[in-house]
Amino acid sequence: GENVEQHPSTLSVQEGDSAVIKCTYSDSASNYFPWYKQELGKGPQLIIDIRSNVGEKKDQRIAVTLNKTAKHFSLHITETQPEDSAVYFCAASPTMAGGSYIPTFGRGTSLIVHP
Amino acid sequence: GAGVSQSPSNKVTEKGKDVELRCDPISGHTALYWYRQSLGQGLEFLIYFQGNSAPDKSGLPSDRFSAERTGGSVSTLTIQRTQQEDSAVYLCASSYGGTPGSETQYFGPGTRLLVL
Repeated sequence: GENVEQHPSTLSVQEGDSAVIKCTYSDSASNYFPWYKQELGKGPQLIIDIRSNVGEKKDQRIAVTLNKTAKHFSLHITETQPEDSAVYFCAASPTMAGGSYIPTFGRGTSLIVHP
Repeated sequence: GAGVSQSPSNKVTEKGKDVELRCDPISGHTALYWYRQSLGQGLEFLIYFQGNSAPDKSGLPSDRFSAERTGGSVSTLTIQRTQQEDSAVYLCASSYGGTPGSETQYFGPGTRLLVL
């Protein structure tokens, strides 16, 4: 099955700095890579995703890059703000027979943005 | 519109008791997932329902755990003879389905289970 490694487990930055979180995956059949943000006491919420036919995707201050050859993908947050403080999860999944989709999640990165 | 809801939000039980956790997915979503999140840990997959297909139970940690989904909507996760190691946040998520473009999972707020 798929194995997703996520680094770092904790990331502390100053407001305005950039933050980068990296993930690697093992299953070359994986073709969908979402990123979720989980705030304290809440469920994870999708913030951006990328598919295997795209190398980079941007949405305002966040961007995701994908390197299928190396089997890694990264989340980039620019101009960080205190409200970006949360736990971020990456995930990877192939689309399986019958359209089933069961993502494998990384262990999460706790991002702390200091004012 | 209404998101995924879960109840109860918190549950404290004694070791050995059975508990039932409920998930109401977003209307029209055919896929439903249960995950377990232990303190400071990632999301551990438990079970997956997709339409009328047989559920994928490959993530259930023991036969004390079971889940059902009635009428393709509401789901209940049951833990029998609870143990202290079952203490965690149980998250439910739903999505439109596994076809490309519809994989986005919408998570509920979770049920925080504490087994004393």
